[in-house]
Amino acid sequence: AQKVTQAQTEISVVEKEDVTLDCVYETRDTTYYLFWYKQPPSGELVFLIRRNSFDEQNEISGRYSWNFQKSTSSFNFTITASQVVDSAVYFCALSEAFYGGATNKLIFGTGTLLAVQP
Amino acid sequence: DTAVSQTPKYLVTQMGNDKSIKCEQNLGHDTMYWYKQDSKKFLKIMFSYNNKELIINETVPNRFSPKSPDKAHLNLHINSLELGDSAVYFCASSQGKEFKALFFGSGTQLSVL
Repeated sequence: AQKVTQAQTEISVVEKEDVTLDCVYETRDTTYYLFWYKQPPSGELVFLIRRNSFDEQNEISGRYSWNFQKSTSSFNFTITASQVVDSAVYFCALSEAFYGGATNKLIFGTGTLLAVQP
Repeated sequence: DTAVSQTPKYLVTQMGNDKSIKCEQNLGHDTMYWYKQDSKKFLKIMFSYNNKELIINETVPNRFSPKSPDKAHLNLHINSLELGDSAVYFCASSQGKEFKALFFGSGTQLSVL
């Protein structure tokens, strides 16, 4: 069965520290996609990144970077030089193909609450 | 311009009442979803519609009835509300093919008293 594990429930760092959020997934599919979403205190869910199972290149976007390793079924997210505005719950998610791809069912992890202290 | 908008943002009601949450997307997507986020922040899919056709119904009580009048709208009607229905309900949309990202509305916080 599809599963996403975010073992870190809460992380607290001081501003400017680097922090890595872990994500481990389980799937029997050979084609799948992985996602990260951010949920700030205001409550909305913000899409951050989508990666497919055939692309193991690391991705960097400003202070954010993602490390995808199929060998360990992990898709970790690193924030460099964290800022107070990074404080949020971060969710990792795995897609499950459905109905010939006509819909995208996301299986979410339980989230990691990141608190960045000034 | 809000991409996925849902109303109301907050809904406080008594047990046994019937309530609806409305969702509209202006992204031109063909697939829409309802997700429920419980008090522990766990997000779980409830329903998915593709071009007004129900695709996913994830063992949700039949007191919950989604309705999609067109592919830009997906409403959620809940009958006979129970205390356990208290949660945040998120509407989302995506372009159905190729595992595209879901874009979420801002959520509706439902409190059943």
